[in-house]
Amino acid sequence: DAKTTQPPSMDCAEGRAANLPCNHSTISGNEYVYWYRQIHSQGPQYIIHGLKNNETNEMASLIITEDRKSSTLILPHATLRDTAVYYCIVSSNFGNEKLTFGTGTRLTIIP
Amino acid sequence: NAGVTQTPKFRVLKTGQSMTLLCAQDMNHEYMYWYRQDPGMGLRLIHYSVGEGTTAKGEVPDGYNVSRLKKQNFLLGLESAAPSQTSVYFCASSKPGGAPNYEQYFGPGTRLTVT
Repeated sequence: DAKTTQPPSMDCAEGRAANLPCNHSTISGNEYVYWYRQIHSQGPQYIIHGLKNNETNEMASLIITEDRKSSTLILPHATLRDTAVYYCIVSSNFGNEKLTFGTGTRLTIIP
Repeated sequence: NAGVTQTPKFRVLKTGQSMTLLCAQDMNHEYMYWYRQDPGMGLRLIHYSVGEGTTAKGEVPDGYNVSRLKKQNFLLGLESAAPSQTSVYFCASSKPGGAPNYEQYFGPGTRLTVT
């Protein structure tokens, strides 16, 4: 069973905020939400992760709902270089160091 | 730091040939991973290692072997290549421990075609 559900594709205008949703309704209490992105055919790049509080770093913000069943990755001022496939991943990793990548959301930034 | 490097970048094999993909990291990471990515798909974990001399199976281990003789290197072997192994192979490394210290650093990938 898929742990996360993401829309297959989204567009966003350059300079606007890109909001990428992710549903993880079966998330358990010790599982974190991670976001990675893959630009063109490069290796995936870590963006951010969180447990239950909202998080922000130099790349993005992560908003997790109070019930933790969904989250949103926010790129505050999207640029053309943000065009990529974005993966939302849920994992506890305790004693089992694995990430499960789904098919992600293909985000296209429109000039 | 070079981060995670992979050798070779491209390779074409004939069915039944063997080859080894090399992954090297200079971040002193304990954990290393091999993934494959087929067109239009997400990454799938082949094998991983939580330390020098240890390996474990991931989601799709059949047809592959791995070795971690040195902490900085993780080798992926194909003993008898098959067309179904045509894919892009990514190596990654991370610090030890579980969440939340779980940022994986990925290499640029190896594009393998088996004819």
